Amino acid sequence: NAGVTQTPKFRILKIGQSMTLQCTQDMNHNYMYWYRQDPGMGLKLIYYSVGAGITDKGEVPNGYNVSRSTTEDFPLRLELAAPSQTSVYFCASSTSGTGARKLFFGSGTQLSVL
Amino acid sequence: ELKVEQNPLFLSMQEGKNYTIYCNYSTTSDRLYWYRQDPGKSLESLFVLLSNGAVKQEGRLMASLDTKARLSTLHITAAVHDLSATYFCAVENSNYQLIWGAGTKLIIKP
Repeated sequence: NAGVTQTPKFRILKIGQSMTLQCTQDMNHNYMYWYRQDPGMGLKLIYYSVGAGITDKGEVPNGYNVSRSTTEDFPLRLELAAPSQTSVYFCASSTSGTGARKLFFGSGTQLSVL
Repeated sequence: ELKVEQNPLFLSMQEGKNYTIYCNYSTTSDRLYWYRQDPGKSLESLFVLLSNGAVKQEGRLMASLDTKARLSTLHITAAVHDLSATYFCAVENSNYQLIWGAGTKLIIKP
């Protein structure tokens, strides 16, 4: 029972570098999310997806891109890393519909941009 | 724009004591969630509150929702060390997105 799997767990980037954070879920959830968590703060939604081929911006999308080619995978792309993107990133998934939107989270990726 | 405010942000308490964490939000919503995060770990769902007057309990934790007051409480009864964690509330907005509070860091001392 893997749930939501994120890789890598840690990464250090230089300013201007690019990288992709991987996220996979095996619960057949339609909804997937990317959040960032800054120290001492709550989560901020970066992007979300309601199904394969459908993505939309959240509260803080600038500097990021996503794609959703399959139900299982929802990678997050950082194109030109900046120090302001130093954060912990969480991927999550949930069922769809009008019921409770209980989220299942991955273990997180700690990213430092130096 | 929906804003979510938790208080206190930090709480240090003795084992065996009772305490309450508050979650206030600024616009109408009837869906509120509580999550727990252990240091360096991911978030785990605790409670889902979907209507006015909803009350959920698990072990020493009890959560309630008053949608008219735009307030949820997380009550801890006879605290034990294992409950030390950061607790977040999140409120669902009109776009079905979760807006998160800043979290309450709870330390329970023996």
